[in-house]
Amino acid sequence: TQLLEQSPQFLSIQEGENLTVYCNSSSVFSSLQWYRQEPGEGPVLLVTVVTGGEVKKLKRLTFQFGDARKDSSLHITAAQPGDTGLYLCAGPRDQTGANNLFFGTGTRLTVIP
Amino acid sequence: DTGVSQNPRHKITKRGQNVTFRCDPISEHNRLYWYRQTLGQGPEFLTYFQNEAQLEKSRLLSDRFSAERPKGSFSTLEIQRTEQGDSAMYLCASSLVARGTEAFFGQGTRLTVV
Repeated sequence: TQLLEQSPQFLSIQEGENLTVYCNSSSVFSSLQWYRQEPGEGPVLLVTVVTGGEVKKLKRLTFQFGDARKDSSLHITAAQPGDTGLYLCAGPRDQTGANNLFFGTGTRLTVIP
Repeated sequence: DTGVSQNPRHKITKRGQNVTFRCDPISEHNRLYWYRQTLGQGPEFLTYFQNEAQLEKSRLLSDRFSAERPKGSFSTLEIQRTEQGDSAMYLCASSLVARGTEAFFGQGTRLTVV
């Protein structure tokens, strides 16, 4: 079974601080995605990483895929209250990428103004 | 087409009643997923379709749950004889096979069983 463990589970920081959240697995993933979910809404896709070592930037968000494609991180620079939400990593349940999408446990981020 | 649409947004039902949810995916998407999410957890996979074929069902999906996707367009998820433990957010997502598992989610249906 491929498990995606995210840490920390909860994170509360002041506006303007930097933070990093992690997504780890003992299995290799052909790709990983990051989603953000706000209360009462569905998850929204932020990025997909495919190549080991890949780094992608989305404004103040930086996503990295581990060299071995077993882990990923999300770094937020100068966090803002609008970044508050549940951050989920997800990947295909099998290594061919053809199967359904499996989600991690999530990191709930609160940015205090 | 602005995205995945789910109806209703909220449903309150008495224990033992049947409920049905509808999902309209993004029109050109051939893959459709159903997930269940409880408070503080990530979405749990229930089932998915490629066109009209239901390719996989989770062991979480008891006999009381059934999903259909007639003609490969919209999908319905029915829960029979609801139980309090069925209370959750039910999420639908769609994707293109060519884009792997990049999924676009609806806003969900919040089910409360009283």
